[in-house]
Amino acid sequence: DAGVTQSPTHLIKTRGQHVTLRCSPISGHKSVSWYQQVLGQGPQFIFQYYEKEERGRGNFPDRFSARQFPNYSSELNVNALLLGDSALYLCASSLQKMNTEAFFGQGTRLTVV
Amino acid sequence: ELKVEQNPLFLSMQEGKNYTIYCNYSTTSDRLYWYRQDPGKSLESLFVLLSNGAVKQEGRLMASLDTKARLSTLHITAAVHDLSATYFCAVDRRTSGSRLTFGEGTQLTVNP
Repeated sequence: DAGVTQSPTHLIKTRGQHVTLRCSPISGHKSVSWYQQVLGQGPQFIFQYYEKEERGRGNFPDRFSARQFPNYSSELNVNALLLGDSALYLCASSLQKMNTEAFFGQGTRLTVV
Repeated sequence: ELKVEQNPLFLSMQEGKNYTIYCNYSTTSDRLYWYRQDPGKSLESLFVLLSNGAVKQEGRLMASLDTKARLSTLHITAAVHDLSATYFCAVDRRTSGSRLTFGEGTQLTVNP
């Protein structure tokens, strides 16, 4: 069975640009969460989506947005990129909204220059 | 606000030695996770601890949970070089959904 898949694996963007990251959850999983991991730190929660609705939002500016599609895949969008947005972006899927284990994808490495 | 603290942050140990990584968290939790991360890679789930007194073991790693003390430990027995990685604990607190709060990570280096 396929695990959580993310695309692209790496990308380089220029300050001020916009980026879209994609995530496909494990088949049957309805919840997708996004995390940002800056080099040398632990991952920070950005969003959780369940059944296409936002269920939680971390302490990130409005430049960050996300959505979940009817097939439960998800996109994370970041506008007006800053150098500080350079990080590993991790997607996690879980079966339900809460109290079920989260499984992480391989991540997207974003570099903003 | 939930806070998760790990110590030590850096750990250099010799092969064959034992050591413990500590994870303290500030509020009641539903479950606690331990993850391993190799450089440039994603998170590999090691253990999920659900209740007070829970103990799980896999190979040279053993994790335990004391919910009253809000403390989890990851014990390494007879370390080998392959265990070199960064280890994170993460706490999942029941709110309206699921949101993991991670510790800063413990960078473990096992030297021959």
